[in-house]
Amino acid sequence: EAGVAQSPRYKIIEKRQSVAFWCNPISGHATLYWYQQILGQGPKLLIQFQNNGVVDDSQLPKDRFSAERLKGVDSTLKIQPAKLEDSAVYLCASSKRSGTGNTGELFFGEGSRLTVL
Amino acid sequence: GENVGLHLPTLSVQEGDNSIINCAYSNSASDYFIWYKQESGKGPQFIIDIRSNMDKRQGQRVTVLLNKTVKHLSLQIAATQPGDSAVYFCAENGSNDYKLSFGAGTTVTVRA
Repeated sequence: EAGVAQSPRYKIIEKRQSVAFWCNPISGHATLYWYQQILGQGPKLLIQFQNNGVVDDSQLPKDRFSAERLKGVDSTLKIQPAKLEDSAVYLCASSKRSGTGNTGELFFGEGSRLTVL
Repeated sequence: GENVGLHLPTLSVQEGDNSIINCAYSNSASDYFIWYKQESGKGPQFIIDIRSNMDKRQGQRVTVLLNKTVKHLSLQIAATQPGDSAVYFCAENGSNDYKLSFGAGTTVTVRA
């Protein structure tokens, strides 16, 4: 079974530029998550989709971050304009969860490391 | 090398010894918990999970203990190996909460 795919693995940009990350979840997984992991910290949830609907984006800085999941499969996370404090690893994860109840196991991709100069 | 009771950001363990990694969770409504292992440059990898109707669950070389009274979770690794060197995170979820929330993590270093 193929895992969660993310690209690019690494990206270096200057502040105020824009960047986009792409995620392809495990086939058949209804729920997709984007986490931000700052160096030395645990992952922090940015946004969560169930199929192609948003179920939690309470911690997404909506003035600069946006995300979409078209057709309930792939997802993109965009940052525009980037700030120095956005330097982090952006992790995508997926799970089988399709309704309420516990999340169950989340399967993570390798992450996209962003450096903002 | 065992450290019980306190959450420590780092843990150094002699190869072959048992490790205990502690985690204090914050939400009394949480009823599902997962331990993840994260190696350098990789995404978190599932180790073991436990639901709140259990106090203990065992896997291969790992045991998770849950104390709901004091909101404490621990991960025990038996006969620690060099490949166990990583950052370990506990994560919590409530059945009425869509979110899986992660703790700060413990960096485990295995000494040969």
